[in-house]
Amino acid sequence: RKEVEQDPGPFNVPEGATVAFNCTYSNSASQSFFWYRQDCRKEPKLLMSVYSSGNEDGRFTAQLNRASQYISLLIRDSKLSDSATYLCVASNNNDMRFGAGTRLTVKP
Amino acid sequence: NAGVTQTPKFRILKIGQSMTLQCTQDMNHNYMYWYRQDPGMGLKLIYYSVGAGITDKGEVPNGYNVSRSTTEDFPLRLELAAPSQTSVYFCASFGIVLGGYTFGSGTRLTVV
Repeated sequence: RKEVEQDPGPFNVPEGATVAFNCTYSNSASQSFFWYRQDCRKEPKLLMSVYSSGNEDGRFTAQLNRASQYISLLIRDSKLSDSATYLCVASNNNDMRFGAGTRLTVKP
Repeated sequence: NAGVTQTPKFRILKIGQSMTLQCTQDMNHNYMYWYRQDPGMGLKLIYYSVGAGITDKGEVPNGYNVSRSTTEDFPLRLELAAPSQTSVYFCASFGIVLGGYTFGSGTRLTVV
């Protein structure tokens, strides 16, 4: 079983749509969680950290459920520029494990 | 502020050749990492370092070696290249202030 599992997609949505990505992690000792964005043929870039209380950054909302070992990312009012692969990350003492990513395409 | 710099950006190797992938960071981060990413897959940890002089194996260390003689540099060495090592390699460093990794732009390696 993979340590971090994500639905690979692809998710194809129209501009303005709301889209949600889910992620599960198997290591209950994981302490920190992140969402990264990776554009085609580019390096991953930190999108946001994920906190137990949930956190929001503009159109993006991240949630963590430690009991279910589940992380989510919600994108509201999708833009064309949101098209990318979104990587879920679970970390234990700076040993970060990445999911394979969920691909999002936002269409006009 | 350059962040994490990787060289080369592209390389084609013949089976059995060796090479070193260079990685340098100017953020004074103690933690540095090497990942590989195969097409359509997530990143897999090859080696990591928590500070100068200290290195540890990750998930997929076979066929690779690293060293960490300074805080800034964390080179990755392939001794006998194999086709299975065809991949994109990312170096990253970790800083508490940012709360996440900063990645280099990657090295695309093809072994033929």
